[in-house]
Amino acid sequence: DAGITQSPRHKVTETGTPVTLRCHQTENHRYMYWYRQDPGHGLRLIHYSYGVKDTDKGEVSDGYSVSRSKTEDFLLTLESATSSQTSVYFCAIGLWRGYQETQYFGPGTRLLVL
Amino acid sequence: SQQGEEDPQALSIQEGENATMNCSYKTSINNLQWYRQNSGRGLVHLILIRSNEREKHSGRLRVTLDTSKKSSSLLITASRAADTASYFCATDAAQAGGTSYGKLTFGQGTILTVHP
Repeated sequence: DAGITQSPRHKVTETGTPVTLRCHQTENHRYMYWYRQDPGHGLRLIHYSYGVKDTDKGEVSDGYSVSRSKTEDFLLTLESATSSQTSVYFCAIGLWRGYQETQYFGPGTRLLVL
Repeated sequence: SQQGEEDPQALSIQEGENATMNCSYKTSINNLQWYRQNSGRGLVHLILIRSNEREKHSGRLRVTLDTSKKSSSLLITASRAADTASYFCATDAAQAGGTSYGKLTFGQGTILTVHP
């Protein structure tokens, strides 16, 4: 089973402060993804990575940045948190199953921006 | 905008009944996947169907894909209370001349409640 952890699992912060969420995997998977999940919107892709230092924007990247300096860690930073970024954040890794990529999700981080 | 639209938004059935959820999408795809999410948890992959496949089975799950209509359905047979969860379709969009990097676009989900 793929090992993937997210930290912190819960966080409360104030508007205007920077916040960094960490996603850690133990099996050297190349592809990693950050999503946010909000009621009525399903999951929306924020950023993704296809290798160390290789990242790109997803559907809702404004206000977020990412870094991947090591294969196992994918960091999501909210540069200056806003109340609209209150959400549940999920990290995922790409797993190859029969020549197709599926995704394996972490447990999520609940972020509340006051 | 969301690639996938799911129908119904919520479904309530009795144990033993079948549950059918539908998904529509907008662009050409490499594959379509279904995921399940229990309350407060991360998503779990259920089944993948490739764009050149029409039907796929896995245990009590049956998925169909109609690329001409850009739609898919997930059938759960003989449902159990433990099947209560949210179910999401997700599409891996085909990219002209390149790779999608496995990126997925998710629908808004169907909330399934199975009553004992």
